[in-house]
Amino acid sequence: DAGVIQSPRHEVTEMGQEVTLRCKPISGHNSLFWYRQTMMRGLELLIYFNNNVPIDDSGMPEDRFSAKMPNASFSTLKIQPSEPRDSAVYFCASSPWTSRAYEQYFGPGTRLTVT
Amino acid sequence: GENVEQHPSTLSVQEGDSAVIKCTYSDSASNYFPWYKQELGKRPQLIIDIRSNVGEKKDQRIAVTLNKTAKHFSLHITETQPEDSAVYFCAVAYSSASKIIFGSGTRLSIRP
Repeated sequence: DAGVIQSPRHEVTEMGQEVTLRCKPISGHNSLFWYRQTMMRGLELLIYFNNNVPIDDSGMPEDRFSAKMPNASFSTLKIQPSEPRDSAVYFCASSPWTSRAYEQYFGPGTRLTVT
Repeated sequence: GENVEQHPSTLSVQEGDSAVIKCTYSDSASNYFPWYKQELGKRPQLIIDIRSNVGEKKDQRIAVTLNKTAKHFSLHITETQPEDSAVYFCAVAYSSASKIIFGSGTRLSIRP
Protein backbone atom coordinates (compact mmCIF):
# COMPACT_ATOMS: atom_id res chain seq x y z
CA ASP A 1 0.00 0.00 0.00
CA ALA A 2 1.27 3.48 -0.84
CA GLY A 3 0.11 4.91 2.46
CA VAL A 4 -1.85 8.13 2.83
CA ILE A 5 -1.35 10.37 -0.19
CA GLN A 6 -1.59 14.14 -0.01
CA SER A 7 -1.34 16.74 -2.72
CA PRO A 8 0.12 19.17 -3.31
CA ARG A 9 3.18 18.75 -1.09
CA HIS A 10 3.87 22.47 -1.18
CA GLU A 11 1.53 25.34 -1.96
CA VAL A 12 2.38 29.02 -2.12
CA THR A 13 -0.49 31.38 -2.72
CA GLU A 14 -1.45 34.98 -2.26
CA MET A 15 -3.83 36.21 0.39
CA GLY A 16 -7.43 36.02 -0.76
CA GLN A 17 -6.94 33.06 -3.08
CA GLU A 18 -8.75 29.77 -2.70
CA VAL A 19 -6.66 26.80 -1.64
CA THR A 20 -7.67 23.16 -1.96
CA LEU A 21 -5.74 20.38 -0.25
CA ARG A 22 -6.33 16.77 -1.24
CA CYS A 23 -6.04 13.47 0.56
CA LYS A 24 -6.34 9.83 -0.39
CA PRO A 25 -6.58 7.58 2.69
CA ILE A 26 -5.28 4.05 2.96
CA SER A 27 -7.70 1.64 1.31
CA GLY A 28 -9.99 0.00 3.86
CA HIS A 29 -9.57 2.66 6.51
CA ASN A 30 -12.91 4.07 7.65
CA SER A 31 -11.75 7.15 9.55
CA LEU A 32 -10.05 10.22 8.12
CA PHE A 33 -8.59 13.17 10.00
CA TRP A 34 -7.35 16.62 8.99
CA TYR A 35 -4.72 18.29 11.21
CA ARG A 36 -2.93 21.62 11.11
CA GLN A 37 0.55 21.99 12.60
CA THR A 38 2.29 25.23 13.52
CA MET A 39 5.08 26.06 15.93
CA MET A 40 2.76 28.17 18.05
CA ARG A 41 -0.27 25.89 18.25
CA GLY A 42 1.22 22.44 17.77
CA LEU A 43 -0.84 19.67 16.16
CA GLU A 44 -4.50 20.67 15.98
CA LEU A 45 -7.34 18.38 14.88
CA LEU A 46 -9.51 20.32 12.44
CA ILE A 47 -12.15 17.77 11.45
CA TYR A 48 -12.62 14.04 11.18
CA PHE A 49 -14.85 11.69 9.23
CA ASN A 50 -16.14 8.19 9.95
CA ASN A 51 -17.38 6.26 6.92
CA ASN A 52 -17.31 9.49 4.88
CA VAL A 53 -19.54 11.34 7.37
CA PRO A 54 -18.16 14.41 9.21
CA ILE A 55 -18.31 13.63 12.92
CA ASP A 56 -16.62 16.55 14.62
CA ASP A 57 -15.64 19.83 12.96
CA SER A 58 -15.23 21.82 16.16
CA GLY A 59 -11.56 22.34 15.36
CA MET A 60 -12.21 24.15 12.10
CA PRO A 61 -10.96 27.69 12.74
CA GLU A 62 -13.72 29.59 10.98
CA ASP A 63 -16.12 29.56 8.08
CA ARG A 64 -13.30 30.08 5.62
CA PHE A 65 -12.41 26.43 6.14
CA SER A 66 -14.49 23.59 4.75
CA ALA A 67 -13.88 19.86 4.26
CA LYS A 68 -15.58 17.18 2.25
CA MET A 69 -15.30 13.45 1.80
CA PRO A 70 -17.39 12.49 -1.23
CA ASN A 71 -16.26 8.85 -1.12
CA ALA A 72 -14.11 6.48 0.87
CA SER A 73 -10.98 7.21 -1.15
CA PHE A 74 -10.89 10.99 -1.34
CA SER A 75 -11.16 14.06 0.86
CA THR A 76 -10.53 17.76 0.40
CA LEU A 77 -9.83 20.64 2.75
CA LYS A 78 -10.61 24.03 1.26
CA ILE A 79 -9.67 27.49 2.50
CA GLN A 80 -11.48 30.40 0.89
CA PRO A 81 -10.30 33.12 1.10
CA SER A 82 -6.84 32.27 2.41
CA GLU A 83 -4.97 34.50 4.88
CA PRO A 84 -1.29 34.66 5.93
CA ARG A 85 -2.16 33.18 9.35
CA ASP A 86 -3.31 30.01 7.56
CA SER A 87 0.31 29.25 6.73
CA ALA A 88 1.07 25.86 8.29
CA VAL A 89 1.64 22.21 7.51
CA TYR A 90 -1.64 20.39 6.97
CA PHE A 91 -1.66 16.65 7.61
CA CYS A 92 -4.25 14.13 6.62
CA ALA A 93 -4.37 10.85 8.53
CA SER A 94 -6.45 7.71 8.22
CA SER A 95 -7.24 4.90 10.61
CA PRO A 96 -9.05 1.58 10.51
CA TRP A 97 -10.55 2.48 13.91
CA THR A 98 -11.76 -0.95 14.90
CA SER A 99 -12.04 -2.25 18.46
CA ARG A 100 -8.46 -3.49 18.15
CA ALA A 101 -6.80 -0.89 15.95
CA TYR A 102 -6.79 2.82 16.55
CA GLU A 103 -3.47 3.72 14.97
CA GLN A 104 -3.51 6.78 12.76
CA TYR A 105 -1.35 6.79 9.65
CA PHE A 106 -0.28 10.25 8.60
CA GLY A 107 0.32 11.49 5.09
CA PRO A 108 3.45 13.48 4.21
CA GLY A 109 1.66 16.78 4.73
CA THR A 110 1.06 19.86 2.63
CA ARG A 111 3.17 22.90 3.50
CA LEU A 112 0.99 25.93 2.83
CA THR A 113 2.43 29.42 2.60
CA VAL A 114 0.07 32.35 2.18
CA THR A 115 1.78 35.63 1.31
CA GLY B 1 -13.79 17.42 26.65
CA GLU B 2 -10.54 15.51 26.96
CA ASN B 3 -7.44 17.48 27.87
CA VAL B 4 -3.87 16.20 27.57
CA GLU B 5 -0.89 17.92 29.18
CA GLN B 6 2.64 16.97 28.22
CA HIS B 7 5.92 17.79 30.00
CA PRO B 8 8.59 18.87 29.44
CA SER B 9 8.27 20.89 26.25
CA THR B 10 12.00 20.50 25.56
CA LEU B 11 14.46 17.94 26.83
CA SER B 12 18.18 17.60 26.24
CA VAL B 13 20.05 14.48 27.36
CA GLN B 14 23.53 13.10 26.90
CA GLU B 15 23.83 10.27 24.41
CA GLY B 16 23.52 7.00 26.24
CA ASP B 17 21.42 8.44 29.07
CA SER B 18 17.70 7.90 29.56
CA ALA B 19 14.87 10.28 28.66
CA VAL B 20 11.44 10.42 30.26
CA ILE B 21 8.42 12.31 28.96
CA LYS B 22 5.21 12.54 30.98
CA CYS B 23 1.58 13.17 30.13
CA THR B 24 -1.57 13.61 32.14
CA TYR B 25 -5.15 13.37 30.94
CA SER B 26 -8.55 14.30 32.26
CA ASP B 27 -11.14 11.82 30.97
CA SER B 28 -11.28 8.57 32.94
CA ALA B 29 -12.99 6.90 29.96
CA SER B 30 -9.77 7.13 27.93
CA ASN B 31 -8.55 3.63 27.09
CA TYR B 32 -5.87 4.03 24.43
CA PHE B 33 -2.57 5.87 24.86
CA PRO B 34 -0.25 6.11 21.84
CA TRP B 35 3.07 7.89 21.41
CA TYR B 36 4.10 9.42 18.10
CA LYS B 37 7.55 10.50 16.97
CA GLN B 38 8.03 13.28 14.45
CA GLU B 39 11.45 13.82 12.95
CA LEU B 40 12.29 17.20 11.48
CA GLY B 41 10.32 17.79 8.29
CA LYS B 42 8.59 14.42 8.49
CA ARG B 43 5.18 13.12 9.43
CA PRO B 44 4.24 11.87 12.93
CA GLN B 45 4.61 8.10 13.23
CA LEU B 46 3.42 5.73 15.93
CA ILE B 47 6.26 4.27 17.97
CA ILE B 48 4.43 2.54 20.81
CA ASP B 49 0.97 2.40 22.34
CA ILE B 50 -0.68 0.99 25.43
CA ARG B 51 -4.23 0.13 26.33
CA SER B 52 -5.93 0.70 29.65
CA ASN B 53 -5.81 -2.95 30.70
CA VAL B 54 -2.01 -2.92 30.67
CA GLY B 55 0.32 -1.08 33.07
CA GLU B 56 3.56 -1.23 31.10
CA LYS B 57 4.74 -2.10 27.62
CA LYS B 58 8.27 -2.36 26.23
CA ASP B 59 9.72 -2.42 22.75
CA GLN B 60 13.51 -2.62 22.73
CA ARG B 61 14.77 0.72 24.11
CA ILE B 62 11.39 2.36 24.53
CA ALA B 63 8.74 1.67 27.16
CA VAL B 64 5.48 3.23 28.23
CA THR B 65 3.94 3.09 31.67
CA LEU B 66 0.34 3.88 32.56
CA ASN B 67 -1.20 4.81 35.89
CA LYS B 68 -4.95 4.93 35.36
CA THR B 69 -5.69 5.91 38.93
CA ALA B 70 -3.53 9.00 38.69
CA LYS B 71 -4.40 9.52 35.02
CA HIS B 72 -0.86 9.80 33.80
CA PHE B 73 1.42 7.88 31.46
CA SER B 74 5.06 8.19 30.53
CA LEU B 75 7.45 7.39 27.71
CA HIS B 76 10.88 6.06 28.67
CA ILE B 77 13.77 5.89 26.22
CA THR B 78 16.91 4.15 27.44
CA GLU B 79 20.44 4.26 25.98
CA THR B 80 19.52 7.25 23.87
CA GLN B 81 21.07 7.62 20.42
CA PRO B 82 21.36 10.58 18.02
CA GLU B 83 18.50 9.22 15.91
CA ASP B 84 16.20 9.59 18.91
CA SER B 85 16.30 13.37 18.42
CA ALA B 86 12.77 14.37 17.39
CA VAL B 87 9.50 15.76 18.69
CA TYR B 88 7.47 13.24 20.66
CA PHE B 89 3.71 13.50 21.08
CA CYS B 90 1.62 11.66 23.59
CA ALA B 91 -2.07 11.14 22.86
CA VAL B 92 -5.23 9.70 24.36
CA ALA B 93 -8.36 8.25 22.87
CA TYR B 94 -11.45 6.37 23.86
CA SER B 95 -13.16 4.06 21.47
CA SER B 96 -16.56 5.71 21.49
CA ALA B 97 -15.13 9.03 20.32
CA SER B 98 -13.02 7.57 17.48
CA LYS B 99 -10.54 10.41 17.65
CA ILE B 100 -7.15 10.98 19.25
CA ILE B 101 -6.27 14.05 21.30
CA PHE B 102 -2.59 14.94 21.07
CA GLY B 103 -0.38 16.56 23.68
CA SER B 104 1.64 19.65 22.87
CA GLY B 105 4.83 17.74 22.09
CA THR B 106 8.32 17.39 23.59
CA ARG B 107 11.38 18.32 21.57
CA LEU B 108 14.07 15.81 22.53
CA SER B 109 17.69 16.58 21.70
CA ILE B 110 20.47 14.06 22.19
CA ARG B 111 23.88 15.60 22.94
CA PRO B 112 26.86 13.69 21.50
